[in-house]
Amino acid sequence: GIQVEQSPPDLILQEGANSTLRCNFSDSVNNLQWFHQNPWGQLINLFYIPSGTKQNGRLSATTVATERYSLLYISSSQTTDSGVYFCAAEMIRSYIPTFGRGTSLIVHP
Amino acid sequence: ETGVTQSPTHLIKTRGQQVTLRCSSQSGHNTVSWYQQALGQGPQFIFQYYREEENGRGNFPPRFSGLQFPNYSSELNVNALELDDSALYLCASSPGTDTYEQYFGPGTRLTVT
Repeated sequence: GIQVEQSPPDLILQEGANSTLRCNFSDSVNNLQWFHQNPWGQLINLFYIPSGTKQNGRLSATTVATERYSLLYISSSQTTDSGVYFCAAEMIRSYIPTFGRGTSLIVHP
Repeated sequence: ETGVTQSPTHLIKTRGQQVTLRCSSQSGHNTVSWYQQALGQGPQFIFQYYREEENGRGNFPPRFSGLQFPNYSSELNVNALELDDSALYLCASSPGTDTYEQYFGPGTRLTVT
């Protein structure tokens, strides 16, 4: 099956800093998503981005499907950005999402 | 619009027992997917139900089974519980089988002792 690897595994930032999270996937995909899981376990969709670039406020994401990676950018981080960020990929013709192990982000005030 | 709800929030069971977890889908959604998230790991897809039929299954043994009801709510049943079944169980509903539109519930934390 498809392999999804995320880096870095852990990230500690001071409020206001910028960061880049990376997701590598091992095969062609028809779906790539980014999620944020808050400290209480709630998973929130951030982006559906099988290719191209999208922006939503301080967050943006870019997927280069031909090179099999996606990046999540967080600018001017806030303490509420803390949590775990997951990417999930669906291989073409599979329709079963495979999650990476996540990047744990802590933003200090 | 009511979001995805799950019950119970926490549950403690003994190895060998059976458990049923429940999920109410968001209004207008006819598809429910279930995931298992072990501590420190990403969610793993268990199966998906679309219009009361199983529509895709991950790498989980048959003792993990499910149901979807006419109102599109769903149950996850796990028989013969093992210690490794301890995890956060998440359900997600979507307006169709495409998972990019899924919305997650808050999860049920299952502990098997």
